[in-house]
Amino acid sequence: GAVVSQHPSWVICKSGTSVKIECRSLDFQATTMFWYRQFPKQSLMLMATSNEGSKATYEQGVEKDKFLINHASLTLSTLTVTSAHPEDSSFYICSAPGGTQPGEQYFGPGTRLTVT
Amino acid sequence: KQEVTQIPAALSVPEGENLVLNCSFTDSAIYNLQWFRQDPGKGLTSLLLIQSSQREQTSGRLNASLDKSSGRSTLYIAASQPGDSATYLCALNNQAGTALIFGKGTTLSVSS
Repeated sequence: GAVVSQHPSWVICKSGTSVKIECRSLDFQATTMFWYRQFPKQSLMLMATSNEGSKATYEQGVEKDKFLINHASLTLSTLTVTSAHPEDSSFYICSAPGGTQPGEQYFGPGTRLTVT
Repeated sequence: KQEVTQIPAALSVPEGENLVLNCSFTDSAIYNLQWFRQDPGKGLTSLLLIQSSQREQTSGRLNASLDKSSGRSTLYIAASQPGDSATYLCALNNQAGTALIFGKGTTLSVSS
């Protein structure tokens, strides 16, 4: 079946630095990808919708200048957390529509970000 | 605005028990509903996907039902095993190709 990968799987960075997370669709093309964030013991919350070749759509309350999304190809979307702070520490997961069933989505394995 | 609620938040059962996890949603105009499993610190594993026109889906010991009119879905796990211990998430979308809206999950612990 189709696979979505994420890199890195975990990252530790210092406060004030920037971190880039990659989301790749490995055997299918994804014109749209979704980025979610999950805080400890909380559910996944949609941050933004990444659109190939155009600007991302951000959910209310998500700072677009802090969470930069680039969807430069049909198989790659990147999320850059700029000037990271400890409160940005979270589990970031991407997904892409695909599969044999209508509305099916494939999820990446997630990236654990810890900001010290 | 669509909201998804899962009850209970946590559940502990002895091995072998049958159990039901509940999911409710506020807007019945859904496209499909999915149940996922998430192990601690890990990503999501899709368990079952129910289209809005379907009433239930089955996979092995798992059975998911959907009642759109009442805004409810249940995940039935038969003959639970310690390996079933995980957090189970209910998620849905209102249109094809849109992001999923997740509940907070039910954390299941099955003791041997």
